[in-house]
Amino acid sequence: DQQVKQNSPSLSVQEGRISILNCDYTNSMFDYFLWYKKYPAEGPTFLISISSIKDKNEDGRFTVFLNKSAKHLSLHIVPSQPGDSAVYFCAASASGTYKYIFGTGTRLKVLA
Amino acid sequence: EAGVAQSPRYKIIEKRQSVAFWCNPISGHATLYWYQQILGQGPKLLIQFQNNGVVDDSQLPKDRFSAERLKGVDSTLKIQPAKLEDSAVYLCASTQGPGGFYEQYFGPGTRLTVT
Repeated sequence: DQQVKQNSPSLSVQEGRISILNCDYTNSMFDYFLWYKKYPAEGPTFLISISSIKDKNEDGRFTVFLNKSAKHLSLHIVPSQPGDSAVYFCAASASGTYKYIFGTGTRLKVLA
Repeated sequence: EAGVAQSPRYKIIEKRQSVAFWCNPISGHATLYWYQQILGQGPKLLIQFQNNGVVDDSQLPKDRFSAERLKGVDSTLKIQPAKLEDSAVYLCASTQGPGGFYEQYFGPGTRLTVT
């Protein structure tokens, strides 16, 4: 039972353009969402998070949008840079649990 | 601030052999997680410790996997005996506290190949 889904395994974007990575979830108890970036041979690193009381959180070039009714979140990267090329995971957690459930990841390639 | 340390970085063993992985979390982090990441999938939680007590090990294959966190700091994850399907990257992560509102810090992982 895949509670967190990233349906696009890969995405290619031109440098300077917007990258949009999507994530869907099925568990309505999830109330905290995170995005991680992973380079080869490294562990995932935290990028940005959002609580369910918000619908948008921004940090520099990175913005996460949450649509609770659709159980959907997205990560926008503007402008995209070649150094953003990595695998991006979304993760979700529910209050009262201690678990982070991860999606399968989307490989982003930013073309120079 | 030193990050999460893991060793070894790579390990190749034959099936039915045993293997152990070590993790040292960020100083002061009470919560420690072990994940298994199979190629093409997201990290899957195996076990979570709060200090030296187990919070969740519901997805740990207890017939072959074991983990401990002595003194609430370092942790070891052991597989005995290994199977081919255990080939994966084993990630350790730590947070300041329990629950889902803390940022997790990951180590570089141990890539295990079982032949």
